[in-house]
Amino acid sequence: SQTIHQWPATLVQPVGSPLSLECTVEGTSNPNLYWYRQAAGRGLQLLFYSVGIGQISSEVPQNLSASRPQDRQFILSSKKLLLSDSGFYLCAWSPLGYGYTFGSGTRLTVV
Amino acid sequence: TQLLEQSPQFLSIQEGENLTVYCNSSSVFSSLQWYRQEPGEGPVLLVTVVTGGEVKKLKRLTFQFGDARKDSSLHITAAQPGDTGLYLCAGARLDSNYQLIWGAGTKLIIKP
Repeated sequence: SQTIHQWPATLVQPVGSPLSLECTVEGTSNPNLYWYRQAAGRGLQLLFYSVGIGQISSEVPQNLSASRPQDRQFILSSKKLLLSDSGFYLCAWSPLGYGYTFGSGTRLTVV
Repeated sequence: TQLLEQSPQFLSIQEGENLTVYCNSSSVFSSLQWYRQEPGEGPVLLVTVVTGGEVKKLKRLTFQFGDARKDSSLHITAAQPGDTGLYLCAGARLDSNYQLIWGAGTKLIIKP
């Protein structure tokens, strides 16, 4: 069966520090991968998606970047965090055209 | 810009009552998905509806996709405290298999 792992679960980082969130998927090959951000108790904002190794599409211009160095690995990064980067970050994968499976999320607080 | 309006935003009812959550759009979707999310966790897929007019049942939950594939509803019968959570709808765009349009969510609280 397919599983998705996302870490860390919580992170507190100072303004201006770098960020690296990692997501890995098991049990499938060539998945579509996604990074979302969610405001408290609200809907999801798509940040990046990837349909293959090295292929990244950005939905929202901002302080973040994403990379896909391996087929089942998706990384969200920032060189210098801003206060506005605080939020709940979710990684997800999906077979083409079907429902998403989400990771357990990372609560990022920038202080 | 495609929008998916979800209502109500917040609902607090007593155990045993019935409720309906709506997702509406002026755009047509190839499919629509419903998710339930608990605090501090990722959303979990409940159902995907694909055909206009389709009705799917998941125990006490009934999902319907509008005939024109622009709207959907989630009806819960005899709500229980375990139904508490954030319910999200998401529509799959006709022009893209990779992106979903998300509703803002309905926060549901079922009081015992």
